[in-house]
Amino acid sequence: SQTIHQWPATLVQPVGSPLSLECTVEGTSNPNLYWYRQAAGRGLQLLFYSVGIGQISSEVPQNLSASRPQDRQFILSSKKLLLSDSGFYLCAWSGGDASYEQYFGPGTRLTVT
Amino acid sequence: TQLLEQSPQFLSIQEGENLTVYCNSSSVFSSLQWYRQEPGEGPVLLVTVVTGGEVKKLKRLTFQFGDARKDSSLHITAAQPGDTGLYLCAGGRRDSNYQLIWGAGTKLIIKP
Repeated sequence: SQTIHQWPATLVQPVGSPLSLECTVEGTSNPNLYWYRQAAGRGLQLLFYSVGIGQISSEVPQNLSASRPQDRQFILSSKKLLLSDSGFYLCAWSGGDASYEQYFGPGTRLTVT
Repeated sequence: TQLLEQSPQFLSIQEGENLTVYCNSSSVFSSLQWYRQEPGEGPVLLVTVVTGGEVKKLKRLTFQFGDARKDSSLHITAAQPGDTGLYLCAGGRRDSNYQLIWGAGTKLIIKP
């Protein structure tokens, strides 16, 4: 069966510090991978998605970036965090089939102080 | 532009009552998913509907896809406190490159 891991679970970082959030998927190959941000109690905002190694599409202009160094690894980064980067970050994978079903990791709660 | 309008945004009812959540769009979707999310966790897929008019049941939850594949509803019968959570609908379109279009969510609270 497939599993998706995210870490860390929570993170408190000062403004201007760098960020690295990691997501890994097990039990599947060549998944589509997604990074979302979610405001409290609200819907999901797609930040980045990837259909293969080194292939990243950005949906929202911001000071975040993403990379996919391996088939089942997806990394969200920032060189300098802003207060507005605080939120709940979710990684998801899909099989890229016509069902469009996505499966989510447990999320990372980021607080920028 | 919100392509998937979800309503209501918030619903608080007593245990045992019935409720319906709606997800509406002017666009046609190839498939539509419903997810439930609990605080501090990732969304969990409940169901996928792909055929116009399709009805799927998951215990006390009934999901329906509109005939024209532009809307969907989630009906909960005899709601339980364990049904509390954020319900999200999301639709897939052939021109979306496997991205989902998300509703803003319905926060549901079932009071014992």
